[in-house]
Amino acid sequence: GENVEQHPSTLSVQEGDSAVIKCTYSDSASNYFPWYKQELGKRPQLIIDIRSNVGEKKDQRIAVTLNKTAKHFSLHITETQPEDSAVYFCAASINPGTYKYIFGTGTRLKVLA
Amino acid sequence: EAQVTQNPRYLITVTGKKLTVTCSQNMNHEYMSWYRQDPGLGLRQIYYSMNVEVTDKGDVPEGYKVSRKEKRNFPLILESPSPNQTSLYFCASSLDGVQEQFFGPGTRLTVL
Repeated sequence: GENVEQHPSTLSVQEGDSAVIKCTYSDSASNYFPWYKQELGKRPQLIIDIRSNVGEKKDQRIAVTLNKTAKHFSLHITETQPEDSAVYFCAASINPGTYKYIFGTGTRLKVLA
Repeated sequence: EAQVTQNPRYLITVTGKKLTVTCSQNMNHEYMSWYRQDPGLGLRQIYYSMNVEVTDKGDVPEGYKVSRKEKRNFPLILESPSPNQTSLYFCASSLDGVQEQFFGPGTRLTVL
């Protein structure tokens, strides 16, 4: 069945350094790849997304890259700040025909001041 | 205010006692979905709906039912809850199946 693998499960970085989280998906029909941030005790919120016709997307300190051939996509956070500490989830939409979402298992990012 | 609401927020129940968790959105979204979140397993999709009367199974539908009789509401029904359904449940909605999903505040369910 469809699967999304996410690595690492935990990541600690010094404030100001960069963080990279990687996801691999199994279904080549996937065409929408969102990233969600979940702070402790809160609901997930979208931080950035990318579609299969785009290789890279950037929004201030956050960027996502997509390699369709290798079926993997990555989240890059530059100049990390303590408020970036949270759990990050990648996801892949299984589309067209169905609108299932498969989420990765999450990465707990700790930014050390 | 645009939002997704869920009720109840917390529920403790016993095995076999039918329960319903309500979900409502006021954004006129076509797509709604239910997820459960368990430690180490991330978010797993239970059911989703592309529109009124159109529902489909996600990755973990066993033991759950849903209905979409109105566009704004998407209740999750546990006909005979079991302890392995103890989890944090999130409802979400989006404009269509490939746009940002807006999540509700979550329902923490404990089945004894």
